[in-house]
Amino acid sequence: EAGVAQSPRYKIIEKRQSVAFWCNPISGHATLYWYQQILGQGPKLLIQFQNNGVVDDSQLPKDRFSAERLKGVDSTLKIQPAKLEDSAVYLCASSLLGLAGAYNEQFFGPGTRLTVL
Amino acid sequence: QKEVEQNSGPLSVPEGAIASLNCTYSDRVSQSFFWYRQYSGKSPELIMSIYSNGDKEDGRFTAQLNKASQYVSLLIRDSQPSDSATYLCAVARSNDYKLSFGAGTTVTVRA
Repeated sequence: EAGVAQSPRYKIIEKRQSVAFWCNPISGHATLYWYQQILGQGPKLLIQFQNNGVVDDSQLPKDRFSAERLKGVDSTLKIQPAKLEDSAVYLCASSLLGLAGAYNEQFFGPGTRLTVL
Repeated sequence: QKEVEQNSGPLSVPEGAIASLNCTYSDRVSQSFFWYRQYSGKSPELIMSIYSNGDKEDGRFTAQLNKASQYVSLLIRDSQPSDSATYLCAVARSNDYKLSFGAGTTVTVRA
């Protein structure tokens, strides 16, 4: 079974530029998550999709971050404009069960390491 | 109060010893508990999940859950240098199953 795919793996941009990340979840996984992980910290949830609908985006800085999951499969996360403090690893994860599932194990992709100069 | 707290570490253990990692959580009605291993520069990898009180063993790993004390732990028996990594505790709330992560405990196994 193929895992969660993400691209690019690394990205270096200057502040105020825009950047986009792509994620393809494990086949059949209904729920998709984007996390931000700053060095030395645990992952922080940015947005959660159930199929192509947003379940939780309470931690997403909506003035600069946006995300979509068209057709309930692939997802993109965009930052525009980027700030220095956005330097982090952006992780995508997926899980098989939806909100009704008690055993909602999440599996992570390799992540995208973003450096904002 | 943080939702999930872990030993700050780092934890250094000799090869062959038991590494003991602790995690406490604040939401009393949390239902699902997970341990992830994260090697430096890599993404988190799920190694254990536990949902009911007691112990759960998988190879050299044992997870222990005590919901009354809001405490979950991970034991790594016969520690190997390949176990050197950061271990993240994650807790899912009962209503939406959103994961909250601790900051992680870094384990170093000395050969």
